[in-house]
Amino acid sequence: EAGVVQSPRYKIIEKKQPVAFWCNPISGHNTLYWYRQNLGQGPELLIRYENEEAVDDSQLPKDRFSAERLKGVDSTLKIQPAELGDSAVYLCASSLGRGRIEEYFGPGTRLTVT
Amino acid sequence: EDKVVQSPLSLVVHEGDTVTLNCSYEVTNFRSLLWYKQEKKAPTFLFMLTSSGIEKKSGRLSSILDKKELFSILNITATQTGDSAIYLCAVGGYGGSQGNLIFGKGTKLSVKP
Repeated sequence: EAGVVQSPRYKIIEKKQPVAFWCNPISGHNTLYWYRQNLGQGPELLIRYENEEAVDDSQLPKDRFSAERLKGVDSTLKIQPAELGDSAVYLCASSLGRGRIEEYFGPGTRLTVT
Repeated sequence: EDKVVQSPLSLVVHEGDTVTLNCSYEVTNFRSLLWYKQEKKAPTFLFMLTSSGIEKKSGRLSSILDKKELFSILNITATQTGDSAIYLCAVGGYGGSQGNLIFGKGTKLSVKP
């Protein structure tokens, strides 16, 4: 079974530039999550999707961050414009949903904003 | 405010030692506690605990939950260098945003040869 796929694995951009991350969850997983993980911290949820619906985006900084999961499968997270403080690892995870909460993580994207 | 606190934050041991990692939590409408191992980048799922006093075991790793005292421990016996990683504890509740996992900061375990 293929795991959660993310791309790119690394991204270096200058501040004020836009950046996008892509995630393809495990096949059949209805729930998709985007997390941000800063050094020395645990992952912090940015947004959770149930199929194509964003059911919790309360922690997403909406002035510069946006996300979509148009067909309820893969998802894109965008930052525009990026700031120095956005440097972090962005993790995507998925779970079956329907009462199954074990989340399976992708390899993440390490973003460096200079 | 819901929170998950792990201790110690870091730990250095030698191969063959036994270690115990701790996780305490405060969460509304507790549902499950999960342990993950994070090497390089992606956290990998280890255990999910929902009931008190029932030990989950996988090889040299085991974990148990105490819902009365609101904590869990992760034990690793006969540690190996490959056990070096960050171990994350996460807690989930029921319903709405409480259904999201809240992660602790992790315990960084270093196993020396």
